[in-house]
Amino acid sequence: AQTVTQSQPEMSVQEAETVTLSCTYDTSESDYYLFWYKQPPSRQMILVIRQEAYKQQNATENRFSVNFQKAAKSFSLKISDSQLGDAAMYFCAYRILTQGGSEKLVFGKGTKLTVNP
Amino acid sequence: DGGITQSPKYLFRKEGQNVTLSCEQNLNHDAMYWYRQDPGQGLRLIYYSQIVNDFQKGDIAEGYSVSREKKESFPLTVTSAQKNPTAFYLCASSIDDQETQYFGPGTRLLVL
Repeated sequence: AQTVTQSQPEMSVQEAETVTLSCTYDTSESDYYLFWYKQPPSRQMILVIRQEAYKQQNATENRFSVNFQKAAKSFSLKISDSQLGDAAMYFCAYRILTQGGSEKLVFGKGTKLTVNP
Repeated sequence: DGGITQSPKYLFRKEGQNVTLSCEQNLNHDAMYWYRQDPGQGLRLIYYSQIVNDFQKGDIAEGYSVSREKKESFPLTVTSAQKNPTAFYLCASSIDDQETQYFGPGTRLLVL
């Protein structure tokens, strides 16, 4: 079964500091996509960053970057200069091919990030 | 403004009642999805649709039904066969099923 594991149910960070959220996944595919989504208290899911497995370069979006280790099947999210607005649930997701030939997302259980002033 | 809208924000269901959650998008996306989120859990796929008049079951389709008569709309019906419907429901869409999914604001369903 295709799975996504987020081993940290909760994390906290001081404002302006850096925090890393971990994610591992299980797949036998060689080409796939990985995502980090943020879910603030409003509960709307917001895309943070996306990584294509065929790209060796780690994706970066402003203060957000990933450390993609394909061989280790690891996809961690680093948040630099943390801000109070970064407090949210963060979900790692992996896009897989279904038996019907289309693609779907499989989500981890999430990491709750608290940012302390 | 382009985006995905879901209504209502809160929905209450009585025992034995069917209820329908609305999802509309004006992004001209072909693919649409319904997810369920329970406390402390990630999202689980209920149904998805790649094109109009076509949809497939996801991982937890039992007790749910959908239709896709228009590109912009993908309503989800929670039937009386769904014995534990209390959850947060999220709709998403993407240009096609190989592109990034974008989410609506969600509907919280509660059972009276």
